[in-house]
Amino acid sequence: EVQLVESGGGLVQPGGSLRLSCAASGLTFSDHYMDWVRQAPGKGLEWVGRTRNKANSYITVYAASVKGRFTISRDDSKNSLYLQMNSLKTEDTAVYYCARGGSYSPLDIWGQGTMVTVSS
Amino acid sequence: DIQMTQSPSSLSASVGDRVTITCRASQSISSRLAWYQQKPEKAPKSLIYAASSLQSGVPSRFSGSGSGTDFTLTISSLQPEDFATYYCQQYTDYPLTFGGGTKVEI
Repeated sequence: EVQLVESGGGLVQPGGSLRLSCAASGLTFSDHYMDWVRQAPGKGLEWVGRTRNKANSYITVYAASVKGRFTISRDDSKNSLYLQMNSLKTEDTAVYYCARGGSYSPLDIWGQGTMVTVSS
Repeated sequence: DIQMTQSPSSLSASVGDRVTITCRASQSISSRLAWYQQKPEKAPKSLIYAASSLQSGVPSRFSGSGSGTDFTLTISSLQPEDFATYYCQQYTDYPLTFGGGTKVEI
């Protein structure tokens, strides 16, 4: 069974940092693009960014709202995806999902999400 | 950025009803459109990709159509487990963008 499991969420003060992880199983992780999507409480879905696979040089792309503050990385040897979040703002409060994407492909597999709360 | 506009934002329906949700892109996205279903406190689930192709395991009462800028998601006969929020998403250009969602209520 293909599974994505996020971890690392929690409460952090504005200006702080947090690192989320996403552990993948049941798929050849290194073959796939991987994405982060977030959802603020009571709101819709917002794409955060993507890392391409090794064949595409692990190129990353970000939403304007997080560019320069968030960094997506991966460790294919550990089947893991990461989201390093710095300079956090209250508006970054959301459930963060990892998802499997692809070149001109939908987000077909999603994790269960991890909650990040930015508050003083 | 490509803006995705869904309508209606919410609707009330009964079991057995035919339900149609529309999604409009601010520019042509060919057929690079996906639909997702999200139930409360759950992760989104992929239903349809390439505007009209069903993901494996999705019931045939779900269907999608459209290309270019105008798309529809149809549920032919609403079932109790279909009450949820539905999102469209374009994947033709970065940033990937979602519609605002359509909440289907009893």
